[in-house]
Amino acid sequence: DGGITQSPKYLFRKEGQNVTLSCEQNLNHDAMYWYRQDPGQGLRLIYYSQIVNDFQKGDIAEGYSVSREKKESFPLTVTSAQKNPTAFYLCASSKGQGSYEQYFGPGTRLTVT
Amino acid sequence: GDSVTQMEGPVTLSEEAFLTINCTYTATGYPSLFWYVQYPGEGLQLLLKATKADDKGSNKGFEATYRKETTSFHLEKGSVQVSDSAVYFCALSDWGQAGTALIFGKGTTLSVSS
Repeated sequence: DGGITQSPKYLFRKEGQNVTLSCEQNLNHDAMYWYRQDPGQGLRLIYYSQIVNDFQKGDIAEGYSVSREKKESFPLTVTSAQKNPTAFYLCASSKGQGSYEQYFGPGTRLTVT
Repeated sequence: GDSVTQMEGPVTLSEEAFLTINCTYTATGYPSLFWYVQYPGEGLQLLLKATKADDKGSNKGFEATYRKETTSFHLEKGSVQVSDSAVYFCALSDWGQAGTALIFGKGTTLSVSS
């Protein structure tokens, strides 16, 4: 079955540690996205990538980094510079190329204490 | 810039009641419009979409019509079920910018009781 996988479902880290969230898709989509969700705030865009080896900052990129070395994979690193990292993180993908709808993974809940 | 405004929740209904969740947007150009649904602890699922004015998107008994004159895309369902309890997000795409991110509203929580 085609889809987007995110792992792990729950992640716990100590303050000051970097952590990498995994996102993999087998939909052959060109574009991938990372969103952050906080209660009552909807989804906010962190980074997106329209094509392999290229990515752009979203609205809240500070304290995050990404890479896009393969079409299928778009990992997100939450660095120690991110002041408030505890949140629900959602990865999505779309075909790009004239298609706008996005498909989402199940999300990773990160808790930093 | 482009934006989406949804009615504040939570919306609380009894089973079989009629549902309307209001969504209005501000955009340059001609965006595509979407409704997504999120069940507790899960990612978002595409519920329906409309790509041009007067298009009606529909799925699982939900409907929404793209109204350019009122810049609206209200979600409706004639008879809700307990299983419809979830958070609903209205979203729009940047016109002509496929592969760029969607712009989401803040979400409306729907709670249906039996």
